[in-house]
This record gives sequence, C-alpha cells and structure tokens, in this order.
Amino acid sequence: AQTVTQSQPEMSVQEAETVTLSCTYDTSESDYYLFWYKQPPSRQMILVIRQEAYKQQNATENRFSVNFQKAAKSFSLKISDSQLGDAAMYFCGAVSTGNQFYFGTGTSLTVIP
Amino acid sequence: DTEVTQTPKHLVMGMTNKKSLKCEQHMGHRAMYWYKQKAKKPPELMFVYSYEKLSINESVPSRFSPECPNSSLLNLHLHALQPEDSALYLCASSQVLGVGFRDSPLHFGNGTRLTVT
Repeated sequence: AQTVTQSQPEMSVQEAETVTLSCTYDTSESDYYLFWYKQPPSRQMILVIRQEAYKQQNATENRFSVNFQKAAKSFSLKISDSQLGDAAMYFCGAVSTGNQFYFGTGTSLTVIP
Repeated sequence: DTEVTQTPKHLVMGMTNKKSLKCEQHMGHRAMYWYKQKAKKPPELMFVYSYEKLSINESVPSRFSPECPNSSLLNLHLHALQPEDSALYLCASSQVLGVGFRDSPLHFGNGTRLTVT
C-alpha cells in the first residue's frame, strides 16, 4: 500500500509569483510513478505533471515543475508565473503495480490578482 | 473538452429511487474507474474494470452496482441510496491497468453531482 501526504490544506500566491506545493509519500514498491492533478471549480480532474520514479531528472511542463527527492520520498510542485486560472484544488498522488491510484488530501490554491 | 463524458451532470434522487450514472470514452482505453468525491476531499476509489471485467471493488455497499457493457461504456446503477451517498461521482479511464505501461495516466470526466434526499 501507499500513503500520500499533503501538509498544506490551503496556499495562496500573488499573480505572476511562484508557489511551491508540498507532497510526501510512502511506498514499498520499486516501480511507481507520481503525479499532480488539479481540480478547478469546473470539477474535472486535470493531469498537471507526472514523474516516473526511475527517472532522476525532474519533470517539467511549461510553468509547472517538480522537485523529486526519491530518498526523502518528497515530490513538490512548483508553479511559476502564477495565473488566475491556476486557482484550484491540487492533488498529489502515486500509482504502482495494479494501477491503484493513491491521492493525497489536497491543497487549495488561491491566486491573488 | 473532456474525452470522458459523464451523464447526467446533476442528479437528485429519493432514497427509494433507482437511477443510473453513465460514462463513455472513445480513446480505446481498457481500464475504467468509478470514484466518489466528497467536498474538499480527494477522490475515493470505488470500482475498477479492466477489459470489461471487474478488477477491483473497494468494499462498496451493494446499493451501488457497476456495469461495463463494452470497452467504451461504464455504468453505475444506484438503488436505495442514503443521504450520506450524496457526492460527486467521477468516472475515469486509463489505457491499461498496470504501471508496466508507463503512459497510462487517469483521464477524468466532469463528474455527476448526486444529491440523495
């Protein structure tokens, strides 16, 4: 089994600034990947970024990047140049053999104009 | 535009009603999922179908009955629900079940907001 922990229930960021959302996980699996989904008020869960555990290089997707620290079991999300449309609930998670997707408790991000 | 379509978007039902939620995807995905999500909480896995066969049932009460008629469709039949079953029900699909195929993230629909009165 896996557990995923997001210690920041709420975060806020000024528009155009950078914010980092924290995530830690615990797993006994050797083959897994990690991901961040966002859920805006429209309700749809949208994949933001994912990282295979075997890759050392941190994944990036435009303004979104991760800081993957495998030994520390940490997987934080950095959002650069924050935009109003980034306001959403962000869920960190992990998936391993059997495709069981484990989600963290979420971080609600507010973007201040 | 979402590639996973869920209907209806909203549903209000009484505790004695029978209703169904529908989910459709045309991405050729062979794994389909039902999740339940309460407000400000993460999605909770209910069922997983792989190649139209039920693969995972997370000890969901029998008043929820899933069905996968074909590889594109997933239904959730509801009967004798309780008010605490009110939630957002999300359908998702992925290319396959199993992380061995690495490009297999979850694709979610917009959900059905269910209210049980």
